[in-house]
Amino acid sequence: DTEVTQTPKHLVMGMTNKKSLKCEQHMGHRAMYWYKQKAKKPPELMFVYSYEKLSINESVPSRFSPECPNSSLLNLHLHALQPEDSALYLCASSHDRSTEAFFGQGTRLTVV
Amino acid sequence: AQSVTQLGSHVSVSEGALVLLRCNYSSSVPPYLFWYVQYPNQGLQLLLKYTSAATLVKGINGFEAEFKKSETSFHLTKPSAHMSDAAEYFCAVSDIGSNYKLTFGKGTLLTVNP
Repeated sequence: DTEVTQTPKHLVMGMTNKKSLKCEQHMGHRAMYWYKQKAKKPPELMFVYSYEKLSINESVPSRFSPECPNSSLLNLHLHALQPEDSALYLCASSHDRSTEAFFGQGTRLTVV
Repeated sequence: AQSVTQLGSHVSVSEGALVLLRCNYSSSVPPYLFWYVQYPNQGLQLLLKYTSAATLVKGINGFEAEFKKSETSFHLTKPSAHMSDAAEYFCAVSDIGSNYKLTFGKGTLLTVNP
């Protein structure tokens, strides 16, 4: 199993809503990542978890809150988002920080 | 600091023609280099990786890339393009100096004409 599964695939939310994005992998990977990708741009790193601890926060606004409940799961909690936060949110995992990352299919988020 | 430059934001080839997508990197320490492909409305799929073993790396779907330290390049090639190769391609670099943060190039959109 070399799959990273993200749910939901699509999400539309209002600016006052609270929602969560979920990511799951069963490859035994100990590093997990959240990326944000705007149209026609490369992915931008948001957060890195290594061994279930937050190791990198790329100065992401606090309206995005990551959580790693266990080694297989990664969540991204969303609250009070802005329309400019609309993007494709990608989860990825790797065996450890020095190995290649495997990406999920992404969640297409639209903030209205 | 590491960086990646992909020359050409859009490359167009005919079906059956050679595919060449260019990638140059900057890194102060030995790099790890990757090529990813992204089809519309999908995530990124790893095509191949260089991690200091063989300089000619073979990947999936008939793609390969050659690491040339003297030219700081890692160009992606495929001898014969197929319609299904049409996608966005990203070159990426990481190294120990950046704590293995993956830095992407801006991407190259490959169009394959019948």
